[in-house]
Amino acid sequence: GENVEQHPSTLSVQEGDSAVIKCTYSDSASNYFPWYKQELGKRPQLIIDIRSNVGEKKDQRIAVTLNKTAKHFSLHITETQPEDSAVYFCAASTSGGGSYIPTFGRGTSLIVHP
Amino acid sequence: NAGVTQTPKFQVLKTGQSMTLQCAQDMNHEYMSWYRQDPGMGLRLIHYSVGAGITDQGEVPNGYNVSRSTTEDFPLRLLSAAPSQTSVYFCASSYSPPPGTGELFFGEGSRLTVL
Repeated sequence: GENVEQHPSTLSVQEGDSAVIKCTYSDSASNYFPWYKQELGKRPQLIIDIRSNVGEKKDQRIAVTLNKTAKHFSLHITETQPEDSAVYFCAASTSGGGSYIPTFGRGTSLIVHP
Repeated sequence: NAGVTQTPKFQVLKTGQSMTLQCAQDMNHEYMSWYRQDPGMGLRLIHYSVGAGITDQGEVPNGYNVSRSTTEDFPLRLLSAAPSQTSVYFCASSYSPPPGTGELFFGEGSRLTVL
């Protein structure tokens, strides 16, 4: 099955700095790569996603890049703010039974210091 | 829309007891799933369903049972609770089949403690 590695497990930055979280996956059949943000005590929520036919996607201060050949994808957050502090999960999804079935990384705890 | 509703939010069990975590969604989603979240382990898939009457095992299925008799409901049963099943459980659903977005909508979570 799919295996997703996520690094780092903890990332501490100063407000205004950039943050980068990296993930690798093992199954070349994976074709959908979402990122979820989970604030303390809350449910995970999708913040950005990318499909395998796209190399980069941006949404304001966040961007995701995908390198299918190397099987890795990254989340970039620019001009970090304290409200960006949360746990971020990457996932790699294969298509099965007419649905996407994601495998998640172990998460990165991002701490933004004011 | 209520989205994905999980009950109960908190539960304490004794070893050997059984219980059911309820999950319901009102978005007409075909795909439903159960995850457990443990510190440093991310979200691990327990069981999933791609439609009514269809279920399959995920990464960590042992000790859990599911059924999908309707599109809306996907209960998770703990047959004989063990301390290793102490965790936060999330139910999640999604609609769009490939190549559409596979965004998962999560419930609020159920914190289970097994003594």
